[in-house]
Amino acid sequence: DQQVKQNSPSLSVQEGRISILNCDYTNSMFDYFLWYKKYPAEGPTFLISISSIKDKNEDGRFTVFLNKSAKHLSLHIVPSQPGDSAVYFCAASLDSNYQLIWGAGTKLIIKP
Amino acid sequence: EAGVAQSPRYKIIEKRQSVAFWCNPISGHATLYWYQQILGQGPKLLIQFQNNGVVDDSQLPKDRFSAERLKGVDSTLKIQPAKLEDSAVYLCASSPWAATGNTIYFGEGSWLTVV
Repeated sequence: DQQVKQNSPSLSVQEGRISILNCDYTNSMFDYFLWYKKYPAEGPTFLISISSIKDKNEDGRFTVFLNKSAKHLSLHIVPSQPGDSAVYFCAASLDSNYQLIWGAGTKLIIKP
Repeated sequence: EAGVAQSPRYKIIEKRQSVAFWCNPISGHATLYWYQQILGQGPKLLIQFQNNGVVDDSQLPKDRFSAERLKGVDSTLKIQPAKLEDSAVYLCASSPWAATGNTIYFGEGSWLTVV
């Protein structure tokens, strides 16, 4: 039973354009969401998070949008850079102190 | 500041053999996690320690997996006997306190192949 789903295994985007990574969840009790970035042969690193009381959180080139009614969140990267090529994981929890439930990840490839 | 250290980085064993992975968390971090990440899936929490006590081991296959965190610092994850489906990356992570996602720091992982 996958509570957090990332339906696109991979995404290819031209350098300089916008990358949009999507994540859907099934548990309406989730109220804390995070995105992690993972390079090959490295552990995941925290990128950005959002609480359910917000619908948008921005940090530099990265913006996360949350649509609670649709149980959907997305990560926007603008503009996309070659260093953004990595696997992006979406994760959710019941609150900021609970176990994280992870999606399967989306591999983002930025083309020069 | 030194990150989370894990060893060995890579291990190949035959099924039914045993293997042990070691983790040294970031200094001062009270919470330590072991995750299993199978290829094509997201990380799955196996066990969470708070100091040297177990907070959550609900997804640890206790018939073959064991973990300890003696003295509340280093930790060891053991698999005995290994099965083919245990082939995965075993990620150790630590945080200053319990499960606040943006303060969890991961090691590079230990890659296990069971043949």
